[in-house]
Amino acid sequence: DSGVTQTPKHLITATGQRVTLRCSPRSGDLSVYWYQQSLDQGLQFLIHYYNGEERAKGNILERFSAQQFPDLHSELNLSSLELGDSALYFCASSVGGGASDTQYFGPGTRLTVL
Amino acid sequence: AQTVTQSQPEMSVQEAETVTLSCTYDTSESNYYLFWYKQPPSRQMILVIRQEAYKQQNATENRFSVNFQKAAKSFSLKISDSQLGDTAMYFCAFMSRNRDDKIIFGKGTRLHILP
Repeated sequence: DSGVTQTPKHLITATGQRVTLRCSPRSGDLSVYWYQQSLDQGLQFLIHYYNGEERAKGNILERFSAQQFPDLHSELNLSSLELGDSALYFCASSVGGGASDTQYFGPGTRLTVL
Repeated sequence: AQTVTQSQPEMSVQEAETVTLSCTYDTSESNYYLFWYKQPPSRQMILVIRQEAYKQQNATENRFSVNFQKAAKSFSLKISDSQLGDTAMYFCAFMSRNRDDKIIFGKGTRLHILP
């Protein structure tokens, strides 16, 4: 158990819908990272928040947005869902925001878009 | 842009044998980190080992060790005395020390440890 929690574990929804994925980092960690793992794209970095502020953006679609709240939990919002958005979404947390800090991954949220 | 390449999509070895997973990467930076992550069937991503590019000494963690060849941009993972619990997908990853602090993953190598 990494100490990072993600809810829900599984999510099944229809195309065009909007969903919110939630991540609670390990106690004391200020950084939250979001990743998408799909069969065709592999594991891709989406976005990084550090202490409430966006720090870096990766291959995140405009239909996707994220935020980190004052209590440091983070939410990833996915809207106008398409079949291709079906994937495993991970969040990871680390103490700081630099490369020297180990990222601890949560168990992931499996999103299925029908 | 940085890229990470894992040339072995799938491998199988007998329990107790030693296996080496290959990884090459491309970057113009001199200061970075390299990682091996393990993803067992549970899907949990677990950090196996980390190497800092400015350290010449190869990192080791119990049965796991790396062969880091900076000039060749190669970062292989050796698993000694392999165990059934080592069966997993293994991802090689790169992270710059710059502010653009995102991890770039390879496509992964699926490793099967056979009894």
